[in-house]
Amino acid sequence: QKEVEQNSGPLSVPEGAIASLNCTYSDRGSQSFFWYRQYSGKSPELIMFIYSNGDKEDGRFTAQLNKASQYVSLLIRDSQPSDSATYLCAVKSYSGGGADGLTFGKGTHLIIQP
Amino acid sequence: EPEVTQTPSHQVTQMGQEVILRCVPISNHLYFYWYRQILGQKVEFLVSFYNNEISEKSEIFDDQFSVERPDGSNFTLKIRSTKLEDSAMYFCASSEGGEWYFGPGTRLLVL
Repeated sequence: QKEVEQNSGPLSVPEGAIASLNCTYSDRGSQSFFWYRQYSGKSPELIMFIYSNGDKEDGRFTAQLNKASQYVSLLIRDSQPSDSATYLCAVKSYSGGGADGLTFGKGTHLIIQP
Repeated sequence: EPEVTQTPSHQVTQMGQEVILRCVPISNHLYFYWYRQILGQKVEFLVSFYNNEISEKSEIFDDQFSVERPDGSNFTLKIRSTKLEDSAMYFCASSEGGEWYFGPGTRLLVL
């Protein structure tokens, strides 16, 4: 059974600070890792994805992957009130087919306090 | 910017009725998916579709569900006989080159 675990929060961060979101996964065969943002009642919106160990930066966002520890994180620098949302971690395993589904965590509810 | 579209945005139906949810994936994408999210719960994978056939399906995707690509643009999810527990937000997604994009969703309410 593939599991993706996230702390549900809420995680409260002051405006301008760094928000750190964490995710662990159970399937060592996982190949691709995604962070989505979801506003209440809306669909998941892709923030970034990462395949290789280490850091990947895109604007204010940095994804970090450690496959040995089965851990992926998302850092949001200079947090803004508009970043307040639920952040979903999703993992794709590779079973030989290109159309494998994503396994999602429950999400972390992030609140940026002005 | 290309996007995945879904219709209808909301659907209310009576238990036991058939519903068809429609999606138009991003035009150059080859992989299509349906996910659902019951209120307050996580997004769950239902089925993936590639080269005009189902590639993978989850335990949720039982005989009551079917998918079809009736033409070159639409991708549909049919629920044959809806149950109360089918009430959820249904998201269509498409992917290519490792990037996955979700449609805005159809909120299905079964009464």
